[in-house]
Formats: sequence, C-alpha cells, structure tokens
Amino acid sequence: DQQVKQNSPSLSVQEGRISILNCDYTNSMFDYFLWYKKYPAEGPTFLISISSIKDKNEDGRFTVFLNKSAKHLSLHIVPSQPGDSAVYFCAAVNSNSGYALNFGKGTSLLVTP
Amino acid sequence: EAQVTQNPRYLITVTGKKLTVTCSQNMNHEYMSWYRQDPGLGLRQIYYSMNVEVTDKGDVPEGYKVSRKEKRNFPLILESPSPNQTSLYFCASRRGGYDTQYFGPGTRLTVL
Repeated sequence: DQQVKQNSPSLSVQEGRISILNCDYTNSMFDYFLWYKKYPAEGPTFLISISSIKDKNEDGRFTVFLNKSAKHLSLHIVPSQPGDSAVYFCAAVNSNSGYALNFGKGTSLLVTP
Repeated sequence: EAQVTQNPRYLITVTGKKLTVTCSQNMNHEYMSWYRQDPGLGLRQIYYSMNVEVTDKGDVPEGYKVSRKEKRNFPLILESPSPNQTSLYFCASRRGGYDTQYFGPGTRLTVL
C-alpha cells in the first residue's frame, strides 16, 4: 500500500510564478522527509529535506512545509524557472524501519516561458 | 568525483537468461539500495543493504537477488528474468539513515 502519495501526476506553471507540489503520507512513524528532482535519462538528485520536528525548511528558491497533524508536506518553488521542469519525488524515512526511503509516484512539473 | 556508477546503462535480453547489473559507489557509504521506476508507479525499492553482508527486502523483491560482499559494490541479480521486469533500475547509496541519498544514472532493462 502506498504510504507516500503524490496525487497530482503533473503540474504546469508559468515562469516566474510559484510552483506548489503536494505530498501526503499515511504512516505517522515517518520522521524525515525529502524531495528529489529527476530529469529524463538521469538519476534522481536530492533537493531539500525536513525533519519532523520542524514545520518549514528553506533553501534558496525552494521551501518545504510540513503539517504533521494533516500528514501533509508541500514543496514551494519561487520563482519558477524553465530549468525546474522535471519530475519531483516526495520521500519519507521511518527510522524505526531500517531507515527505508518510501517514495511517492512523482509529479511532473512543466514551467513554461 | 563522488558518484554511484551502474553498468550496463542499457540492456536488452531474453526471458530466462541470467543477468547482473553492477553498482559501485566511491563515497564509503554504509547504505545501498536498488529501485525500479515504472510509469505511474514511481520509485519502488527492491532491496537495500545497511552494511556489508546485511541486506533486506524492499517493496518488490520477487525475482531479484542482491549481495553485499564489499562496501562499495551492490550488484542486482536477475536469475531468470521475465518481461514484467522490464523497467528502469536505479542504484543508490547514502552514508547513514537520514543522509542524502545519491542515485546512479539508471539502467534501462528490456526483457523480451
């Protein structure tokens, strides 16, 4: 059963606007969350992470928000750039289960000029 | 350069012919994992290893084997490949539980 869900398979945003990618999870034991970015023909690369003891983490244009009560996290990209067009994977770690990384199915972001 | 390498990058084979996809990392990482990526299903973990000689099943281990005899290498073995194992495979490594995971470039496997 999918414990990490990205319910939007795709998202299209204009250059300069905000991109918001959403992720929901079901396992309350997850204690660390990450976002990965993937371009075609390449492996995923780490983007940003957040511990469950925080509700926000910011790195340049990227901010991740965590709402533990709602079991929801989101990635904000401001401003969006055409080079941000990629597939974004949300992932969660359960330290009580071998630190296995559980991935969502991904959201394909297209940033149009 | 810190990296995870996989070989081969592309492979077309036939049902039942044993194959091995190699994975190597040069970062002295403890953790290594194998994933497969399929359309609409995202990244699913096949096997992972927390250290030499320590491996465990992920979400979709059926039809695969792994071994971790050395820290840097984590080969994925398909003893008798079937068409449903046609997929894009990624090897990954990380230092510890919460550390950044680095992925290899992927191996596209087609089983006819």
